[in-house]
Amino acid sequence: NAGVTQTPKFRILKIGQSMTLQCTQDMNHNYMYWYRQDPGMGLKLIYYSVGAGITDKGEVPNGYNVSRSTTEDFPLRLELAAPSQTSVYFCASSLSRMAAGYEQYFGPGTRLTVT
Amino acid sequence: GQQVMQIPQYQHVQEGEDFTTYCNSSTTLSNIQWYKQRPGGHPVFLIQLVKSGEVKKQKRLTFQFGEAKKNSSLHITATQTTDVGTYFCAGDSIQGAQKLVFGQGTRLTINP
Repeated sequence: NAGVTQTPKFRILKIGQSMTLQCTQDMNHNYMYWYRQDPGMGLKLIYYSVGAGITDKGEVPNGYNVSRSTTEDFPLRLELAAPSQTSVYFCASSLSRMAAGYEQYFGPGTRLTVT
Repeated sequence: GQQVMQIPQYQHVQEGEDFTTYCNSSTTLSNIQWYKQRPGGHPVFLIQLVKSGEVKKQKRLTFQFGEAKKNSSLHITATQTTDVGTYFCAGDSIQGAQKLVFGQGTRLTINP
C-alpha cells in the first residue's frame, strides 16, 4: 500500500491564482482530513469528510473548498490565493472513529508559497 | 470551541536526560492521541489513550491519560538523538465532532 499520497510536493502561487491540492489514499479509509501547518505551529483542520459525498468544515475553512466523490480521493481547492495561505498542507485519513482504527495516517505534505 | 494546549513549546535536553510534555484540554475528551513529527516530515501516530487514568508504555516512552480525561502527558526516559522532533497531542471531545483538535506541539531538540 502507498498509504496517503499528495501532489504536488511544492508549489509557488501568485496572489489571486487558484489551484487544487490532490490527496489519494489506498487503505479504504472512510475518514479523510485536510490540515494546514504554519511554521512552528500545530495542525489546524480545514475540512474533513466521513465518507464519499459528505464533507464538513473544520476550524479554518475560509478560502478553501473540498469535494469527496470517491472513497480514495479528497482534493482541496484554493480559490484566489492569498499570502495568508502560505503553509504546509497535510492530508490524512483514518478508518473509522472507533477506538481501534481512529489513528490518522498523514501524507507527506504540500509546501505552498503564495507571493 | 474545544482547545488543546501543550507545554512546553520547546525543550532542549542533553542526550540521556528525560523529557516530558504535557497536554491540557478545555473539555473532557473521549480519547487522546499522540503523534511525532520529525523535522521536515509528516506527523506519525504513536499511541491512543481511551480510559480514564490509562498508562501505556512503548519502550522508553510512557503515556498517561488523566483521571478526569482532560489532560495527558508523554514522558521519554533517557532521550536519544532519534527522539528529536515535535510531539503533538490530539484530543477528541466527548461531545463528539468526529474530528481531532491538535495541540501546538512540543519541539524537542537534543544535544548529543
